[in-house]
This record gives sequence, structure tokens and C-alpha cells, in this order.
Amino acid sequence: NAGVTQTPKFQVLKTGQSMTLQCAQDMNHNSMYWYRQDPGMGLRLIYYSASEGTTDKGEVPNGYNVSRLNKREFSLRLESAAPSQTSVYFCASTPSSYNSPLHFGNGTRLTVT
Amino acid sequence: RKEVEQDPGPFNVPEGATVAFNCTYSNSASQSFFWYRQDCRKEPKLLMSVYSSGNEDGRFTAQLNRASQYISLLIRDSKLSDSATYLCVVNSPGFQKLVFGTGTRLLVSP
Repeated sequence: NAGVTQTPKFQVLKTGQSMTLQCAQDMNHNSMYWYRQDPGMGLRLIYYSASEGTTDKGEVPNGYNVSRLNKREFSLRLESAAPSQTSVYFCASTPSSYNSPLHFGNGTRLTVT
Repeated sequence: RKEVEQDPGPFNVPEGATVAFNCTYSNSASQSFFWYRQDCRKEPKLLMSVYSSGNEDGRFTAQLNRASQYISLLIRDSKLSDSATYLCVVNSPGFQKLVFGTGTRLLVSP
């Protein structure tokens, strides 16, 4: 049982390049989330999808777009990467939107030079 | 005021000690509360949910104080392996999301 799978695990980009972070869960969860974690800042919500077909902005959505491709998959796209987007990105899922704990993927460590 | 606040620590304790962390939340309508554990550069993992009546899981006890709007985590008989960052998580009413505190770092020494 894989749980939440994120790819890639590591990525280095140059300023202005684009990329998509992939996330898939096999637990039949309705809600999926993208967080970023920076030293001293804790986990900050970028975007979330309460259910298939819906997406909403979190605390720090600027510079990102998301797609809830189907119930399993929720991708995060950086259209034009900036050094400020250097971070660790975590995808998470939960059966319902707010009263169940989150299950996290292993994270993607992104460096933008 | 932040939605969820924690003392960043670090809390340095010897093995066998009892240690407690608090976490305050700003919205009195919050209904769901959790403690997560995060090891360095790893993903957060659920430690325990926090119920209104309080709950215990082995050496760990979680309490909710709605009047003062805080939750607590008590760790008894600390082990070296308890060294980690402990994250407080609270739901944001009206928004379908969970909000994380910045975490409290615990260091258990021999």
C-alpha cells in the first residue's frame, strides 16, 4: 500500500524554468493538499482540493497553479520558478476535508538557482 | 494573531524526564485537533488526535482546553527516539483545511 506518492524527490531548476510536481494517493481520499515548508516558517498551505473537481487557494498561492486531474492525482505547477520558491514541498490527503488527519507524501526538495 | 501558535523551543530534557508542550489556537469554533511528529527533513506523521475528554497513547497524553483555547501534549519517560519536532494542527472553521503550527523542537539527551 503506497499511500501518498510524490515525484520527483529532488529537483534543481534555474530561475524562469517551469516544472510540475506530481502527487498521487491510493487511499480513495477526497481531499488533497499542497504545502511548502521553509526553515522557521512551518508548513504553509499553497492550494487544496476539498473534492474532485474543486481547487482553492491557501495561504501562499502566488506563483503556483494546481490541477486535480482525478480523485487520485493532484499536481502542482511552477510556471516560472523563482529562488523564493526554493523549499520542501509536501503533498497530503485526507478522507474528508477538515476532521480527519492528513497523510503525507515523502516530499520534494526543490532548489531554484 | 496567528491561527495556531507554538513555542519553538528547543526543549532540552534528559532521558526519563517528563515534558509538556502547549499550543494555542485563535478560533473558538475549531473542532479538530491533532499532534504530528516530524523528524529532520522527513514528512510529518500523525502522533495522535486530540479529543475533548483528553486521550492517552502509551507515554503520550493529549489534552484540550476549550475555555483557554489550547491543546497540550505530555510525554512521560522521554526516550532518545522522541527527539523530533512536534507540530500542532487545528482545523480552520469555514475553510476546508487544517492549519499547522510552526512546531516545537524536543531534544532528549542521554
